[in-house]
Amino acid sequence: GQNIDQPTEMTATEGAIVQINCTYQTSGFNGLFWYQQHAGEAPTFLSYNVLDGLEEKGRFSSFLSRSKGYSYLLLKELQMKDSASYLCAVRDSPASGGSYIPTFGRGTSLIVHP
Amino acid sequence: KAGVTQTPRYLIKTRGQQVTLSCSPISGHRSVSWYQQTPGQGLQFLFEYFSETQRNKGNFPGRFSGRQFSNSRSEMNVSTLELGDSALYLCASSLGRASYNEQFFGPGTRLTVL
Repeated sequence: GQNIDQPTEMTATEGAIVQINCTYQTSGFNGLFWYQQHAGEAPTFLSYNVLDGLEEKGRFSSFLSRSKGYSYLLLKELQMKDSASYLCAVRDSPASGGSYIPTFGRGTSLIVHP
Repeated sequence: KAGVTQTPRYLIKTRGQQVTLSCSPISGHRSVSWYQQTPGQGLQFLFEYFSETQRNKGNFPGRFSGRQFSNSRSEMNVSTLELGDSALYLCASSLGRASYNEQFFGPGTRLTVL
């Protein structure tokens, strides 16, 4: 089984930087995803990490430490449109009795205010 | 290229009824996965279909079923509806098995059970 934890809600100011953490406990590991979901809309893919380190993509970066079971999503130069829910999803490994299908955390609701 | 489409977008049913939801994947995508999203449980995996065969199944009762057609379109069916089945049902498609490929989500079907 898997256990994924992320904060329920965060607030930040337009133009600032915010870091959304995700911790996980899995018997195996085969990749971690971050998705963004605006209210009433479908989740959209942001990033995928399978090796340790930082992956940068424009204003968004994602970091992974497999030994610590830890990831974070870093959002820079926050804009009002970044107000959304951010979902962390971990893919287990059949070799350890799990499934390749990602398990999602409950999401972090980010509120960006002026 | 058109995205994932789901019909209907909104549905209201009463307890005991059954419902069928439809998903058309992105052209060329052969894998379709279904998820249930509720405020309390977050995004939970229902099942994955690839080449008309169910490849993975989540922890849901037998009232939840699905199928995939030769053109990769998929349907999911929920019989004997319960109040707790009220949720956003999301379909996601990927080029190959969801295990190895990025998933693209549809807008979802909002099901309300009265």
